[in-house]
Amino acid sequence: QITLKESGPTLVKPTQTLTLTCTFSGFSLTTSGVGVGWIRQPPGKALQWLALVYYNDDKRYNPSLRSRLTITKDTSKNQVVLTMTNMDHVDTATYYCAHRPEDRGVRGFDAWGQGTLVTVSS
Amino acid sequence: QSALTQPASVSGSPGQSITISCTGTSSDVGAYNYVSWYQQHPGKAPKLMIHDVTNRPSGVSNRFSGSKSGNTASLTISGLQAEDEADYYCDSYTSSTTWVFGGGTKLTVL
Repeated sequence: QITLKESGPTLVKPTQTLTLTCTFSGFSLTTSGVGVGWIRQPPGKALQWLALVYYNDDKRYNPSLRSRLTITKDTSKNQVVLTMTNMDHVDTATYYCAHRPEDRGVRGFDAWGQGTLVTVSS
Repeated sequence: QSALTQPASVSGSPGQSITISCTGTSSDVGAYNYVSWYQQHPGKAPKLMIHDVTNRPSGVSNRFSGSKSGNTASLTISGLQAEDEADYYCDSYTSSTTWVFGGGTKLTVL
């Protein structure tokens, strides 16, 4: 059974850097084709894809947020970390991490964490 | 990177069929057969319903089906049930080697 769980601060101040950790189990991020991504959803709004890291450390970023995002993986801890710099009120959202099993020919996110609400406020 | 275009809302009665469209461009939906659909109930995480345009993950009802024509992908739900009432999102791979989601569609079962 695949599980993912997001952790990090629930409140950050404008201009601060957000660091979120995704801790997962049930799969390995060393398996060819596997990826873990981050997606966010502002309250009442649509999903927005942020970043993804593959098993081979191939990293992809949303072009509009590329300068503010960094995604890293720690396979020994089964964790993926997302950092977002210069946080603003518009970054208030629920942040999800999700599993992408392209090793099985699934080009979609087939397992999601419960999400963590991050509020940006002074 | 513009979001894919979905209707804001669709509705149908129990037992009916509905279709949700997802329109992109020749750089995303039209270029790749890598469109997915997600169902999201209020306060819950999204659930993968369709991947690679037409494929259903194990455990997803065969009432859900996907298709694509040109730059537009579609999700069809047949035999509507009350439990299908939710928000639905599409996503697609893009020529920038990234992904983009649609704006979401709220499905109401009358």
